[in-house]
Amino acid sequence: EVQLVESGGGLVQPGGSLRLSCAASGFTFSSHWMHWVRQVPGKGLVWVARINNDGSNTGHADSVKGRFTISRDNAKNTVYLEMNSLRAEDTAVYYCARDAGYSFGFEADFWGQGTLVTVSS
Amino acid sequence: QSALAQPASVSGSPGQSITISCTGTSSDVGRNNFVTWYRQHPGQAPKLLIYDVTIRPSGVSDRFSGSKSGNTASLTISGLQPDDEADYYCTSYTTSSIYVFGTGTEVTVL
Repeated sequence: EVQLVESGGGLVQPGGSLRLSCAASGFTFSSHWMHWVRQVPGKGLVWVARINNDGSNTGHADSVKGRFTISRDNAKNTVYLEMNSLRAEDTAVYYCARDAGYSFGFEADFWGQGTLVTVSS
Repeated sequence: QSALAQPASVSGSPGQSITISCTGTSSDVGRNNFVTWYRQHPGQAPKLLIYDVTIRPSGVSDRFSGSKSGNTASLTISGLQPDDEADYYCTSYTTSSIYVFGTGTEVTVL
């Protein structure tokens, strides 16, 4: 059974840092691209970042570029999101998602349960 | 990168067909065929309905169909059912090699 379990969320002050983790199981982790997506409760989905299967290529949304960094450790079956210089507008539930790999679009077939990040003083 | 534009809400009666539009630019929807559609019920994870504009993953009902013309992609739900009441999102790959979501559409089954 495919499982994605996020952790690392919490309350952080503006300008602070946080590292999210997403532990994967039930599939060959190193064969799949992975993504981070966020959602303010009651609002829409926002794509944040993606990483290819071996970690050699990443992409980040303009809104987080230079502040957030996606990475992965295939030996630990884990994908990370390092978040620096956090702002109030980064407050959201952060989901990791597995890309099905059908094509080159955002094709997330499994999602984690999410971890809440709150940026507030 | 701005969010793709979707209507805030669309409604229909059971059995009817509805269409949700997703308007982008020549840098995203109009540039490639890597458009996907998701359905999200409250409190649940999104479910992939369509990829590559028109292709349904295995297990997705053929009541869902996708199309694209220029900078606008569309999702049509035929034979509307009560369970179709949910939020729907489009996404597109962009010329910056990243992705962008649509603003989301709330579908109401009357």
